[in-house]
Parts: sequence; structure tokens; C-alpha cells
Amino acid sequence: KNEVEQSPQNLTAQEGEFITINCSYSVGISALHWLQQHPGGGIVSLFMLSSGKKKHGRLIATINIQEKHSSLHITASHPRDSAVYICAVGRGAQKLVFGQGTRLTINP
Amino acid sequence: DAGVIQSPRHEVTEMGQEVTLRCKPISGHNSLFWYRQTMMRGLELLIYFNNNVPIDDSGMPEDRFSAKMPNASFSTLKIQPSEPRDSAVYFCASSPTGQDAEQYFGPGTRLTVT
Repeated sequence: KNEVEQSPQNLTAQEGEFITINCSYSVGISALHWLQQHPGGGIVSLFMLSSGKKKHGRLIATINIQEKHSSLHITASHPRDSAVYICAVGRGAQKLVFGQGTRLTINP
Repeated sequence: DAGVIQSPRHEVTEMGQEVTLRCKPISGHNSLFWYRQTMMRGLELLIYFNNNVPIDDSGMPEDRFSAKMPNASFSTLKIQPSEPRDSAVYFCASSPTGQDAEQYFGPGTRLTVT
């Protein structure tokens, strides 16, 4: 079993829908990261959080340390949100362990 | 800031050849990471440096892989000899020093070994 599991692996939705991507982990962590990888391949860090909730524009990330679970939400989704979203956990000393990613497609 | 710079962006080489990938981190960042991404295994950490010193190279697949950071503004990842199974996208990332600091990724080098 992978240390970091994401669900779903693939998600297709219509423009405007509320999107939720989940990340569960099985080890103790110091922080959790959400990354976005666009079709061109570039990777951008969206959030880093160790507790509670963070919001940036239409994106919201939450984490529940006790349940070892995090969610990434996208409100009012748009085709430009189409990308692979990757959850990664920090195991201390800056080392990241990555989930397999969730491929999101938003249709107009 | 130009961000993390990687070169080349694409590399096609024949099995057995030496491959050198290059990375220039963001100025002022003290930590540098090399990752490999494949369809089968996703993103994996190969090695990372703090203040030019290798801290964890446990992800380096085998002795054919080596990485150096001779100064704060330059790092190389070398594969010698290359094999077809090394085909992947190799990302370099940098971050300020400190546990759990946000990492900034370069555009990646797509390596194809035939």
C-alpha cells in the first residue's frame, strides 16, 4: 500500500461544478503539499499546510491530522483548471512522498 | 526572478551514452532537489542538497546515477551509461532552507533513451 493515496484517479466534470480531490496518508507527517501539473508538464505548488484550512482564489485545501486526510476543493470550476493535482507529504527533513495524482478534466 | 532553470528541456540519446542534466536554482534558495517522473511510478525524489551538501541520496536508483552541486547556483545529474528504462522527465526544484518550505519546480528535462 502506498504511503499516500489519492482519489479519484481521474475526474471529469462540467464547467461550474464544485470539485473535491482527496488525499489520505498512512504515516506521520510534518506538512502536506498540493501541487498542480498542467498538460505542458510544469509543476506549481498550490498549498502547503499542516493544520486547518487554506484558501487561494477558487481553491481551498483542508487537512485533518487525526484522520490523516486532506481535501482539495475547486469552486466554480473552469476548463483552465484541467490538470493533474498531486498530493505530497513531508516526512521531515524536507523529503516529500508523492501520491499518484488525480487527473482533472473540466469540460466547457 | 527567472525561477528554476533546467537544461536541456529535451534530450534523446542512445543506450550506453552519458547524459548530463543541469539545474540552476532560484537565487537565495539553499535546498535543491532532483526528482524523476514516470507514468508507472509517478514523482520520486532522487537526491537533495542543503547548502550544496548531499543530504539524502537514497532515491538514486543505482551507481549509474550521480549528482553534484559544486556551488549554490548550479547542480548536475549525470547518468552513465544510460539505459532505456531511464527514460522519464527529470525535475529540479529548489526551496529556502527549512523544514517543509515550499518547493519551486523547474520545467523539467524530458529524457528519451533509445
